[in-house]
Amino acid sequence: GNSVTQMEGPVTLSEEAFLTINCTYTATGYPSLFWYVQYPGEGLQLLLKATKADDKGSNKGFEATYRKETTSFHLEKGSVQVSDSAVYFCALITGKLIFGQGTELSVKP
Amino acid sequence: DAGVIQSPRHEVTEMGQEVTLRCKPISGHDYLFWYRQTMMRGLELLIYFNNNVPIDDSGMPEDRFSAKMPNASFSTLKIQPSEPRDSAVYFCASRRDRGNTGELFFGEGSRLTVL
Repeated sequence: GNSVTQMEGPVTLSEEAFLTINCTYTATGYPSLFWYVQYPGEGLQLLLKATKADDKGSNKGFEATYRKETTSFHLEKGSVQVSDSAVYFCALITGKLIFGQGTELSVKP
Repeated sequence: DAGVIQSPRHEVTEMGQEVTLRCKPISGHDYLFWYRQTMMRGLELLIYFNNNVPIDDSGMPEDRFSAKMPNASFSTLKIQPSEPRDSAVYFCASRRDRGNTGELFFGEGSRLTVL
């Protein structure tokens, strides 16, 4: 079946550190891939997406590249800020959106 | 344009009581989803509708849960009778795109506590 696996959190970084959150997926066909972010007390919101192999999604300094050969969509940011502290969800869509378990990121000043 | 609107934002009730959560999707969106979020199980899809018709309710945990969408602008998720293990944040989300590239728009959630 279709599924998404994310690296476990929580991840704690210092401000300006480099961030990588790993995400791999299992799916039939070629689904679109997404990263959603959930700030404390809020609903999820779309961070970035990629719709086909080798596409790179980017937003707010975050990037992720759709790698078909490794079935991965890792999230990266070169320099994190305290305001990036949130829970990040990797997801794929095959009719319905399937989420990974979420990775909590905490950025310390 | 207003986002997805959920009510109530917080609900505290006693075991055995009926709980009704409400959702107003974004106008023009033809898909509506109900998710449940807990620390233990993460984000779970309960049910989703397309043009007011339930498409997949395989995530509904048991018969105590029911969902309806009487029209394009309103949906309810009902739990009867409620149990402490139902305590969670329930999210409603909607989208318009019929393909596989559509963004999902989430409401702010309804936090349910069953004592």
